[in-house]
Amino acid sequence: QKEVEQDPGPLSVPEGAIVSLNCTYSNSAFQYFMWYRQYSRKGPELLMYTYSSGNKEDGRFTAQVDKSSKYISLFIRDSQPSDSATYLCAMVAAGNKLTFGGGTRVLVKP
Amino acid sequence: GAGVSQTPSNKVTEKGKYVELRCDPISGHTALYWYRQSLGQGPEFLIYFQGTGAADDSGLPNDRFFAVRPEGSVSTLKIQRTERGDSAVYLCASSLQANTEAFFGQGTRLTVV
Repeated sequence: QKEVEQDPGPLSVPEGAIVSLNCTYSNSAFQYFMWYRQYSRKGPELLMYTYSSGNKEDGRFTAQVDKSSKYISLFIRDSQPSDSATYLCAMVAAGNKLTFGGGTRVLVKP
Repeated sequence: GAGVSQTPSNKVTEKGKYVELRCDPISGHTALYWYRQSLGQGPEFLIYFQGTGAADDSGLPNDRFFAVRPEGSVSTLKIQRTERGDSAVYLCASSLQANTEAFFGQGTRLTVV
């Protein structure tokens, strides 16, 4: 079983809808959590970085961490066709490497 | 530079040849990571440098793969006797220090024919 699980999708939503993404993990040592957006044939782009349980908001993006349940989420409000991409969660145990989920492909239809 | 730079962006090589992939991290970033990504998959960890030393090389698949970062800045990933299964996108990332935000380059697409 992988350390970080992420539904591969695709997740298809109409423009303007809320996109809800999540990852579960098994390693309780993970302390830092990131979400990346990756367009086809491009490198991952950092969207959000959090290190504590709770919510963090940045523009249309909200990251949520629940360490007790080993579950993280990313919400995208007012989704746009330009949000169509693969979204990757990543997490770090102190002083260690980033461990990624497999990514969720998102399609926002106009 | 403004971001992580990887060269070349594309590399086609013949099976059995040697290749070098270069990563220029963001200036001042002490942590540097190499990942490999196959189509439809998440990035797979290869090696992590803290300064000049490899802090974790547990992801290198075999002894054909080697990476260096001699001055704590630029890093080179070296692959000997390439195989068709090595074909993938090789991604490099850097962060100011361990546990802080990591920023990726655009990757090098390696194709072994």
